[in-house]
Amino acid sequence: GQQVMQIPQYQHVQEGEDFTTYCNSSTTLSNIQWYKQRPGGHPVFLIQLVKSGEVKKQKRLTFQFGEAKKNSSLHITATQTTDVGTYFCAGPNSGYSTLTFGKGTMLLVSP
Amino acid sequence: NAGVTQTPKFRILKIGQSMTLQCTQDMNHNYMYWYRQDPGMGLKLIYYSVGAGITDKGEVPNGYNVSRSTTEDFPLRLELAAPSQTSVYFCASSYAGYEKLFFGSGTQLSVL
Repeated sequence: GQQVMQIPQYQHVQEGEDFTTYCNSSTTLSNIQWYKQRPGGHPVFLIQLVKSGEVKKQKRLTFQFGEAKKNSSLHITATQTTDVGTYFCAGPNSGYSTLTFGKGTMLLVSP
Repeated sequence: NAGVTQTPKFRILKIGQSMTLQCTQDMNHNYMYWYRQDPGMGLKLIYYSVGAGITDKGEVPNGYNVSRSTTEDFPLRLELAAPSQTSVYFCASSYAGYEKLFFGSGTQLSVL
């Protein structure tokens, strides 16, 4: 079945440093979604990318969808303590009306 | 607008007991899902529904059952609880398949 892999599993940065998490799929994706889960909270939708090579920005967050539509990245510039949480990517599961989630990247930011 | 509401928030079960996790949404979404989350393992799909009266298995359905009698409600039933079912359970809904998911606040379940 489809697999969605994320790296790294965990990253600890100092406030102000940049952060990047990568997502790779075993199959071509029609779209990719990103979610953020704060500690003790539930996943919250951040963005959806649809087009090959697409780049979208949300303030300090930059999302990219690869040209082959099999990989994606989330880059945070100048991290803040409010960025702490786990970031998940998710892609449509071919044959099902569902999403397959990566295992997530846990980000810890020290002040 | 409440979104997706899950109850209870916490529960402790003894091995062999049964319980139902409740989930209701007020966004008139056709698609509803149950995920479980174990530490470091991401979200795994248990069951999903594409509309009232229609349900289907996800990745890890064993030990669970669901029903969807209305658009709003999608309860998850655990029969004969086992320690392996200790997890955080999230209900989610979406307007259509592959669209963004709206999650409930989760149920933390411990089976001892």
